Amino acid sequence: NAGVTQTPKFQVLKTGQSMTLQCAQDMNHNSMYWYRQDPGMGLRLIYYSASEGTTDKGEVPNGYNVSRLNKREFSLRLESAAPSQTSVYFCASNIAGGHNEQFFGPGTRLTVL
Amino acid sequence: GENVEQHPSTLSVQEGDSAVIKCTYSDSASNYFPWYKQELGKGPQLIIDIRSNVGEKKDQRIAVTLNKTAKHFSLHITETQPEDSAVYFCAASMNRDNQGGKLIFGQGTELSVKP
Repeated sequence: NAGVTQTPKFQVLKTGQSMTLQCAQDMNHNSMYWYRQDPGMGLRLIYYSASEGTTDKGEVPNGYNVSRLNKREFSLRLESAAPSQTSVYFCASNIAGGHNEQFFGPGTRLTVL
Repeated sequence: GENVEQHPSTLSVQEGDSAVIKCTYSDSASNYFPWYKQELGKGPQLIIDIRSNVGEKKDQRIAVTLNKTAKHFSLHITETQPEDSAVYFCAASMNRDNQGGKLIFGQGTELSVKP
């Protein structure tokens, strides 16, 4: 099993460009999450999907949209990238919401110039 | 909403010594407290967790304690080894139906174990 995979690993954008970060899991997990990690701020939840067909905002959703394409895939879209969105983005999944281990992908390092 | 504070931000210990990382949380409804370890260039990985009906939990060299009254919990690593060097994150979560598995993370502690 590959676990949680993310593409791309690195990306550089110019201000105003758009892009989609892809995430897929092969563990038959119901819930999926997108976090961003910034120095000194830990991981902050952007959006999550408790189950296929549902999505909800996390702590820092502004400037982002998500799509739960199917049970395996959860994408994060930046419509008009800003320098403040320079960060490392992590996707995670778990069996169901609540008190279960979240499994993280390797991350996408995004730089917005 | 929930807020989690983590200290210290950096911690350097000699191999074989113990390391302690502390976290406080603000929402008394939180009832799940996991700890994640993040090695350089990788995603975080769960190392231990504790639920609110338990005061302490151990797994070999690592242990977590929880004080619900004071709203703080701690990670203890004994007999530290160089491979323990990493960034450690605490987190808190409440198990409400409409909250899913939302975790609120602390700021992280960079642990360095010197041989």
